[in-house]
Amino acid sequence: DGGITQSPKYLFRKEGQNVTLSCEQNLNHDAMYWYRQDPGQGLRLIYYSQIVNDFQKGDIAEGYSVSREKKESFPLTVTSAQKNPTAFYLCASSIGLALTYNEQFFGPGTRLTVL
Amino acid sequence: RKEVEQDPGPFNVPEGATVAFNCTYSNSASQSFFWYRQDCRKEPKLLMSVYSSGNEDGRFTAQLNRASQYISLLIRDSKLSDSATYLCVVATSGTYKYIFGTGTRLKVLA
Repeated sequence: DGGITQSPKYLFRKEGQNVTLSCEQNLNHDAMYWYRQDPGQGLRLIYYSQIVNDFQKGDIAEGYSVSREKKESFPLTVTSAQKNPTAFYLCASSIGLALTYNEQFFGPGTRLTVL
Repeated sequence: RKEVEQDPGPFNVPEGATVAFNCTYSNSASQSFFWYRQDCRKEPKLLMSVYSSGNEDGRFTAQLNRASQYISLLIRDSKLSDSATYLCVVATSGTYKYIFGTGTRLKVLA
């Protein structure tokens, strides 16, 4: 089955720790994205990547870092510099540029809680 | 003004009812439009893309009004299983940025 996987599903972090969220896709998509969702808010873009070894900051990149060493993988690190990291993190992918009708597909998400 | 705006609801409707949601967008250069469905504590799933001429998929109909810069979603013969949050998504072709509305919550009541 083609799709996007994220792990872990739930993650608990102590303050001051860095944690890395995994995102893998086997859809052969070029573009990958990380979003954060907080209660009552829309999805906010953290980082996106158009191609291997390239990525761009989204609207709320501070305190986060990413890498894109392989087409199918786009891990997100939540650093200790992120002031309020408790949220639902969603990874998505799309074929490439947001051409007309070029939809995004989402992984099941990781729920991060800072203790 | 937000780039994409939706009425948060909730819309409480009885089974079998017809319900419609609107979503307005501010960027006139937007060219790609989508409706996603998100169940509680789950990821968004594509419900339908919105075509310029409008499109229908079973009980769901999506429309685009470029002049007034809004898209709509109509659900006919509502089912209990339609209860979810419906997200409006707008993108400008040639970019990688998809803008999400905050969602409209629908509750279908027995």
